[in-house]
Amino acid sequence: ILNVEQSPQSLHVQEGDSTNFTCSFPSSNFYALHWYRWETAKSPEALFVMTLNGDEKKKGRISATLNTKEGYSYLYIKGSQPEDSATYLCALTPNDYKLSFGAGTTVTVRA
Amino acid sequence: DTGVSQDPRHKITKRGQNVTFRCDPISEHNRLYWYRQTLGQGPEFLTYFQNEAQLEKSRLLSDRFSAERPKGSFSTLEIQRTEQGDSAMYLCASSPRLDSYNEQFFGPGTRLTVL
Repeated sequence: ILNVEQSPQSLHVQEGDSTNFTCSFPSSNFYALHWYRWETAKSPEALFVMTLNGDEKKKGRISATLNTKEGYSYLYIKGSQPEDSATYLCALTPNDYKLSFGAGTTVTVRA
Repeated sequence: DTGVSQDPRHKITKRGQNVTFRCDPISEHNRLYWYRQTLGQGPEFLTYFQNEAQLEKSRLLSDRFSAERPKGSFSTLEIQRTEQGDSAMYLCASSPRLDSYNEQFFGPGTRLTVL
C-alpha cells in the first residue's frame, strides 16, 4: 500500500485569491501521478497526469508541479472562483493499472 | 453522454440485505476498475478487469463481495449480507488498454447507506 498524503485536508479561500496545496508520496519507483477534481454529485474529473521530474502542467487557472526526487507535487489555483470549489485528489500509479489515492484537499471558495 | 455511468446513484438498504451495483464503462475501454471511498479517505482500489477477466482483487474485497464483467462490457458489484461498515461511495472507472500512464475515467459513483 502506497502512502499518499495530501495537505491541508481542507481550506477556505476568498474569491479572487490564489491558493496551493500539496501531495506527498514515496519517491522510489515513481511511475506517474494524477490529479483529479471531484465536485459534489459529479464524477471525479482528470486534471493532470504527471510523469517527469520537474513537470509543470497548466489548465486554465489551475497548474501543477512535480518533484519526484523529493516526492511531492503542488497544485495551484490562481484567482479562485466559486466553481473551483471541489475536492482535489492526487493519486500515484506504481504500475499500469492501480491508483493509490490521497485523502484529498477540499477547497471552498467564498464569494 | 459517452462517459462512465453507474446505477443506482444512491442505495439505502437494511443490514443483512444484498445489493448490486452496475457500471457501464466508456465503450472502447477494455479495462474496468472498482474503488470504494469512505468518509475522510481517498478512494481505495477494490478490483479490476481486463475485458471479462478479473485480474486482481484487493484484500478489502471480502468474500461477501463479488464483481463480474460478462462479455467484457458492463460490470456488476454485488455485496451480500450487507453490514454497516459497507456504507461508502462505490466508484467505477475505465481506461483503454494502451493508455496514458493509466489515466482512468470515473463514473459519478453509487452511494450506499446500510442502516
